[in-house]
Amino acid sequence: KQEVTQIPAALSVPEGENLVLNCSFTDSAIYNLQWFRQDPGKGLTSLLLIQSSQREQTSGRLNASLDKSSGRSTLYIAASQPGDSATYLCAVLGSNYKLTFGKGTLLTVNP
Amino acid sequence: GAGVSQSPSNKVTEKGKDVELRCDPISGHTALYWYRQSLGQGLEFLIYFQGNSAPDKSGLPSDRFSAERTGGSVSTLTIQRTQQEDSAVYLCASRTGPNTEAFFGQGTRLTVV
Repeated sequence: KQEVTQIPAALSVPEGENLVLNCSFTDSAIYNLQWFRQDPGKGLTSLLLIQSSQREQTSGRLNASLDKSSGRSTLYIAASQPGDSATYLCAVLGSNYKLTFGKGTLLTVNP
Repeated sequence: GAGVSQSPSNKVTEKGKDVELRCDPISGHTALYWYRQSLGQGLEFLIYFQGNSAPDKSGLPSDRFSAERTGGSVSTLTIQRTQQEDSAVYLCASRTGPNTEAFFGQGTRLTVV
């Protein structure tokens, strides 16, 4: 059974800092890994999708890496802003086509 | 439509009543998922539809829960004889294939009183 773990559970940083969120998964037989953000009371917004054959993806200030063999992904956020405050979720798409989610990292960026 | 649409956005129901939650996926998306997010909990997989294949119902928590997808598009999640523990946000997602992004709706917040 696929298990996804996200560390840390919560993170508070001052504005302007670079930060890294971690995601690990137990079964490396995945199609892809997707990072989402969730604002309070809202649905999930897709940030980045990394295919199993890829090592990283970039979108603006966000960079996600994937090491499938070790079951790890990181989301790097450069020059953080208060508007980045949200819960960040990673999810892996397994060979059974199910998306398995971690419990998320609650990020607070302080002005 | 521009995105995945779910209705209603909020639903308050009395214990024991049946409820129906609706999901309109992005046009052309063949895969559709239902998830449940309880307060302080992660996202729990409920059911997965892919085209005309038999759905993967392995995540449905009890036989009070059922879902259908008509014409490969709109999906309805039905909860019969609702219980207080059914209170949660129910999220729907769709995608075109395993190598594409999954997009989520805004969810339906269900409160059973």
